[in-house]
Amino acid sequence: AQRVTQPEKLLSVFKGAPVELKCNYSYSGSPELFWYVQYSRQRLQLLLRHISRESIKGFTADLNKGETSFHLKKPFAQEEDSAMYYCALGDNAGNMLTFGGGTRLMVKP
Amino acid sequence: DTAVSQTPKYLVTQMGNDKSIKCEQNLGHDTMYWYKQDSKKFLKIMFSYNNKELIINETVPNRFSPKSPDKAHLNLHINSLELGDSAVYFCASSLLTRTDEQYFGPGTRLTVT
Repeated sequence: AQRVTQPEKLLSVFKGAPVELKCNYSYSGSPELFWYVQYSRQRLQLLLRHISRESIKGFTADLNKGETSFHLKKPFAQEEDSAMYYCALGDNAGNMLTFGGGTRLMVKP
Repeated sequence: DTAVSQTPKYLVTQMGNDKSIKCEQNLGHDTMYWYKQDSKKFLKIMFSYNNKELIINETVPNRFSPKSPDKAHLNLHINSLELGDSAVYFCASSLLTRTDEQYFGPGTRLTVT
């Protein structure tokens, strides 16, 4: 069965500090991985997907198949990055997403 | 302009009642979903619905039944509500392939008393 694990429920950093939100997955096939973000009082939205290999709002994530990880990184955190971040794995059947438990990122001034 | 909309935004009801949550998307997407977010913020897929094919997460009780009158709508009907059904329910939609972005609705906060 597929599984997504985000070991940290809360990550608190100061503005300007580097950020790494961890995500590990378990999946027997070829994984499709995403990071979704939910800002306060806003709907859940896509931040980035591994297939695009892009940087969004300064965030990047690299798929490491050997370590089955897809950690989200940003070199210098901003206060507006404070939000709930979810790592998600797309499966072959029905295009359903399996979400990790989420990590709340708090960036302090 | 709203891509995925849900009604109502808040729903408070008593145990044993039957209620429905409506979802509409104007993106022309092929697939729609229902997710449940519990009090600890865990987000879990409940259903995926594509071209009248329903894929059910086996952990969902059969008191929950999705109904899709057309491709743009996916409603969630819940029978005999229980306290444990209290959660935020999110509707989402996407194109067919599993690499496509899912667009989420604003959520419906259901409180069962």
